[in-house]
Amino acid sequence: QAVLTQPASLSASPGASASLTCTLRSGINVGTYNIYWYQQKPGSPPQYLLRYKSDSDKQQGSGVPSRFSGSKDASANAGILLISGLQSEDEADYYCMIWHSSAYVFGTGTKVTVL
Amino acid sequence: EVQLVESGGHLVQPGGSLRLSCAASGFTFSSYEMNWVRQAPGKGLEWVSYISSSGSPIYYADSVRGRFTISRDNAKNSLYLQMNSLRAEDTAVYYCARGGPLDCWGQGTLVTVSS
Repeated sequence: QAVLTQPASLSASPGASASLTCTLRSGINVGTYNIYWYQQKPGSPPQYLLRYKSDSDKQQGSGVPSRFSGSKDASANAGILLISGLQSEDEADYYCMIWHSSAYVFGTGTKVTVL
Repeated sequence: EVQLVESGGHLVQPGGSLRLSCAASGFTFSSYEMNWVRQAPGKGLEWVSYISSSGSPIYYADSVRGRFTISRDNAKNSLYLQMNSLRAEDTAVYYCARGGPLDCWGQGTLVTVSS
């Protein structure tokens, strides 16, 4: 079982909100981790979006619009990236990441399509 | 402007060696942790190695430990990755990325391991 699991794909309409999940493997408690999120468009390097640990401990990447926000669902043991007001330019791959057992671990990635 | 520029990637035979470089500019390189991350063609992101601002501690992914060596020269604002005993599965674009949040990435350099 992967440490971080993300849905392979997600489709949504322009203007809608998209909620991307990053589920931590059983036994790894989401509450204790910083969850990092990255956006990657084809042919480009990843871009840092934000870090989320709690509502009082979070960081937005430089120049990243506020319509990108982070949260957690403790009951699902998951980190969440919420994209509000989806735009065509948000079509990309999204990866979550944590620091676990002296290593960075990336999620499997979610491809977001804006229909 | 913060900039990271990787170099050194090219075609190498299985079992061969390669040294990647990452030139940093626009920030105080010696104050930042640094990382190498790779992405195989059509695949997701895989963290490879971490080095602290001072050069210790250092961490590696299990997939490269014992074959790859990360290092840095703060006087030259440069990060390195010495890659030995290369395998076909090491074929990827290799990115250097700044800091704990990996908040700045280079454009990457392509390493192809093939006979």
